[in-house]
Parts: sequence; C-alpha cells; structure tokens
Amino acid sequence: DTEVTQTPKHLVMGMTNKKSLKCEQHMGHRAMYWYKQKAKKPPELMFVYSYEKLSINESVPSRFSPECPNSSLLNLHLHALQPEDSALYLCASSHPPRGNYGYTFGSGTRLTVV
Amino acid sequence: AQTVTQSQPEMSVQEAETVTLSCTYDTSESDYYLFWYKQPPSRQMILVIRQEAYKQQNATENRFSVNFQKAAKSFSLKISDSQLGDAAMYFCAYRSGSQGNLIFGKGTKLSVKP
Repeated sequence: DTEVTQTPKHLVMGMTNKKSLKCEQHMGHRAMYWYKQKAKKPPELMFVYSYEKLSINESVPSRFSPECPNSSLLNLHLHALQPEDSALYLCASSHPPRGNYGYTFGSGTRLTVV
Repeated sequence: AQTVTQSQPEMSVQEAETVTLSCTYDTSESDYYLFWYKQPPSRQMILVIRQEAYKQQNATENRFSVNFQKAAKSFSLKISDSQLGDAAMYFCAYRSGSQGNLIFGKGTKLSVKP
C-alpha cells in the first residue's frame, strides 16, 4: 500500500459546526503532516507529527486541533471555523523528517465554511 | 531561512515538445534535498523527481530530468516529449537534511497544447 487516504473528499460546514478530517497511511511512515492550500498557492505547513508526537505547530489557530492516535492515523478536528478557513487540506507522510525521502500526499479534503 | 523561487507563474508547451521549468533556492546548508512535485486538477501532489545535494549527477525519471547547478543554487526541471497529461501545477521544493520540512516555491502552471 503506497497511498495516503483522506476522508472526506469534500466537506461543507457551518461556522458553529464541529467536524473532523481523517488521514490514514500504511506505509510505515513515522512522520505525518497537515497542510492548508489556498487556490493557486503552494501548500502551507500547519502541523507535523513525528513518532506520534506533535513536533511542529506553525502558529495555527486553536480552532484547528490535530490528533495522532497511532502511527497510521492522523486527524484534524475543526471547530468554530471562519469562511477564510475554506481551502484544500492536504495530509502527507514520510519516513522520519530527515533524509532524501519525499512526502507522499493524499488527494486532500476540499473544505468550505459557510 | 531557506527560500525557493519559481519565477515563471505560467508556461505553455506544444505536445511532444520539450519545456524547462526554472527553480532557484537560497540556503547556507550543505546537506539538503530538492524535489519537483506535480499537482494536476485532481489535487493530489505527486512526486516527480528528487535530487540529493551531495550528488553531482543530475536525476532522471523517464521523460523528466533536472539540471542541478549547486553553485548557482539552481534546480530546473526538463520535460521531454510533453504529453497532455503533463498539464498541471509544478512545485519546486527544498528539504533540509537536518530540519526536514518541505519548503515550496509558488509554483508554475504548465499548459500543454495539442
């Protein structure tokens, strides 16, 4: 299995809703990442988990809450989002964050906040 | 801090022709890795090719090759025999050997004309 699977593919939520994005990989990668991507822009790093521990939080607002229950699974819990949070959310994984390994990306969740 | 610059927001190529996408980067490190990612409209980021900074030989993957000029900090991507399926956003990315996170350029949108 050489894939990163993200669910759901599309999500529309209101500003008072609570929702979660899910990311799963079975490649034995021990680093997992959340990125936010606006249209026609490069991905922006949000969080990094290394060996199931949060190692980097790029000053992301607390309405985004990551969780890494095990080495294969990464969640992003969403609460009280704003319309400007509408974007493509990409999950990626890699071998530990050193070395020449590229990241394997999922196909993303297209989030719309109304 | 490391930076990645892609100076061509958009490029166009005729089917079966060759096109070169430019990328320059700035770093004071000696241990790093460079990547080209492709993002088609399907949204998934796909690793096209990678280059280790310590390797003098330019990386090649089928129709894709790079021109890595370490002294000039340049890392261009050449696509030979362009195909309609090559149409996508192309991102150049840098990864430190020590810190590990991917740093993306702003991307180049490649169109392929039949």
